[in-house]
Amino acid sequence: AQKVTQAQTEISVVEKEDVTLDCVYETRDTTYYLFWYKQPPSGELVFLIRRNSFDEQNEISGRYSWNFQKSTSSFNFTITASQVVDSAVYFCALSEAENTDKLIFGTGTRLQVFP
Amino acid sequence: ETGVTQTPRHLVMGMTNKKSLKCEQHLGHNAMYWYKQSAKKPLELMFVYSLEERVENNSVPSRFSPECPNSSHLFLHLHTLQPEDSALYLCASSQDWDRGVFRETQYFGPGTRLLVL
Repeated sequence: AQKVTQAQTEISVVEKEDVTLDCVYETRDTTYYLFWYKQPPSGELVFLIRRNSFDEQNEISGRYSWNFQKSTSSFNFTITASQVVDSAVYFCALSEAENTDKLIFGTGTRLQVFP
Repeated sequence: ETGVTQTPRHLVMGMTNKKSLKCEQHLGHNAMYWYKQSAKKPLELMFVYSLEERVENNSVPSRFSPECPNSSHLFLHLHTLQPEDSALYLCASSQDWDRGVFRETQYFGPGTRLLVL
């Protein structure tokens, strides 16, 4: 069965702190895709990254970085030097090659960054 | 307009009303989706349309009726809703290759926040 677990319901940090959002997934497929989306208070889900299961290279984009570890079925997201504008709910999601239209979302982690 | 737009952004309706949610994508995609986001629950996929054909219906009650007149527009017609249907309804679109064999990343609209009284 497919499942995405984001164990951290809410995280609060002070600006300029680094913060890591955890994501653990379950799938029986050998080919799958992992995503992170950001949902600010305005409501829309903003796409951040997509990773396929064959590419375990870590990725960095500005202050954002992602650590994909197949051995632990994790796809963690780190924000370096957090800013107030990073405050949002962050969702990790999984889709399998057998059914790519079905995005399975975690329950989200609410990040609050205080000035 | 760019990306995925949704109207209205907020909607309050009574249980006997009929209303429609509209989604429009300006990305040249050919697959569109409706999701429901309720408090404290994961996003739930409701409907998927690929090339204007419905390809998935996740056991959604018949009081929700989707319509996809063309690849850029998606509607969700609502009638005789229940208070538990109050939620954020999100539309998304993606590029569908080879009739669902592979779909690219989904891009989401801002959502319609629905309150059923």
